[in-house]
Amino acid sequence: DQQVKQNSPSLSVQEGRISILNCDYTNSMFDYFLWYKKYPAEGPTFLISISSIKDKNEDGRFTVFLNKSAKHLSLHIVPSQPGDSAVYFCAAIPNSGYSTLTFGKGTMLLVSP
Amino acid sequence: DTGVSQNPRHKITKRGQNVTFRCDPISEHNRLYWYRQTLGQGPEFLTYFQNEAQLEKSRLLSDRFSAERPKGSFSTLEIQRTEQGDSAMYLCASSLGQGPNGYTFGSGTRLTVV
Repeated sequence: DQQVKQNSPSLSVQEGRISILNCDYTNSMFDYFLWYKKYPAEGPTFLISISSIKDKNEDGRFTVFLNKSAKHLSLHIVPSQPGDSAVYFCAAIPNSGYSTLTFGKGTMLLVSP
Repeated sequence: DTGVSQNPRHKITKRGQNVTFRCDPISEHNRLYWYRQTLGQGPEFLTYFQNEAQLEKSRLLSDRFSAERPKGSFSTLEIQRTEQGDSAMYLCASSLGQGPNGYTFGSGTRLTVV
C-alpha cells in the first residue's frame, strides 16, 4: 500500500516556465514532508521541506505548498532551468519521533531549452 | 571528501552467492540508514542505526539480510543466498541526530543478481 503517491511518472516543461510536481499521502500520522532531487548514478539530495504546521515554504526558485486537509503537497519551481531535469521524490516522516522516510515513486522532470 | 561513501558502486553476482556492501558515513553523524530502491520505485527503508545500536528494521529486511555498524562508524549490509529479486540500488544515508534535513545520501551500490 503506497502511503506517499506521486501519480505523474514524468513531466516536461520549457525553460523559464513553472514546473509543478504533485504528491498525495494517505497516512494522517505524517507531519513533516520533504522533496529530494536525484540525478542518475547519484544518491538523492535534499531540496526543501515543510512542517505540517505550515502551508508554504519557499527557498529561492523552489516553493512547497501543503494542503493538510486534502493530504496533498506540491513543489513549484519557478523559473525552471535545464539543470533542474532530474527525478523528484516526495517523502514523509511521521510524528512518532522516528526519522525514517517514506518515499513516493518519483516524478521525472525534463526541462527543455 | 566529507560525503557519504559507498562501496562498491556496482556488484554483479550469481544467484545464491553472498554479497557485502560498505557505507562510510559523514564522520560526525551518529545515525546511519540503509534504503533500497528498485526500478520505478522510490527508496524504501531497510534499517537504521544510532551509533552502533540497530534501532529499527523494516519488514523488507528478511532473514537473509544483516546489517552491522561496529564501533558506530562504518556500516556493512550483507545479503546471503542472493535472489534475483534482490537486484536493486542500495542506498546509505547518515544524519546528525533526528533532523531529516541533515540526511545525506551516498551514491549507492547497484546490485545485479544473475
